[in-house]
Amino acid sequence: EAQVTQNPRYLITVTGKKLTVTCSQNMNHEYMSWYRQDPGLGLRQIYYSMNVEVTDKGDVPEGYKVSRKEKRNFPLILESPSPNQTSLYFCASLPWWAGGNTDTQYFGPGTRLTVL
Amino acid sequence: AQRVTQPEKLLSVFKGAPVELKCNYSYSGSPELFWYVQYSRQRLQLLLRHISRESIKGFTADLNKGETSFHLKKPFAQEEDSAMYYCALSDAGGTSYGKLTFGQGTILTVHP
Repeated sequence: EAQVTQNPRYLITVTGKKLTVTCSQNMNHEYMSWYRQDPGLGLRQIYYSMNVEVTDKGDVPEGYKVSRKEKRNFPLILESPSPNQTSLYFCASLPWWAGGNTDTQYFGPGTRLTVL
Repeated sequence: AQRVTQPEKLLSVFKGAPVELKCNYSYSGSPELFWYVQYSRQRLQLLLRHISRESIKGFTADLNKGETSFHLKKPFAQEEDSAMYYCALSDAGGTSYGKLTFGQGTILTVHP
């Protein structure tokens, strides 16, 4: 079954404790992306990756890191989480970003992160 | 910088009534516009994109470059259309190729 998986689905942590949210897709997609969803602010892109070893900043990259060492995985790293990073996070993937020939973007189920 | 604005956070209509979800954008380059939908307890999914000019679930959206708008319309709303709707923009072929900017979202409620 084609899917995007995220782990963990729920996480409560404390300020400053490094954490990683994993994202994995089994569709051999080139493009992957991370978003955060906040009430009143909608969905905002954090980072995206056009392919292995190629990553770029989205609209809200501050406080986050990503890596794309292999095509299927795109982990989101919070080196020193802060309460303002409490949010619902989504990972997504696409076959490739062909500017008009995009297939539907597959979204993961979301990770609800709370930073105390 | 690219920006997407959805002026209505909440929109309520009755079943069978026409519905229009507004989306305005600002972008200096050549934009690609999308509408995404998130039904209750489901994942976000693409509803339609402007270049395909197709109608999905009775929804259509026309890109108006003069007014920089991409409003989503449906002539007869159904209860199952109740969901969160996001308008989104990407830089089609520019230096930020692949960067996707979303609006704040509009919660549509269709009453019986």
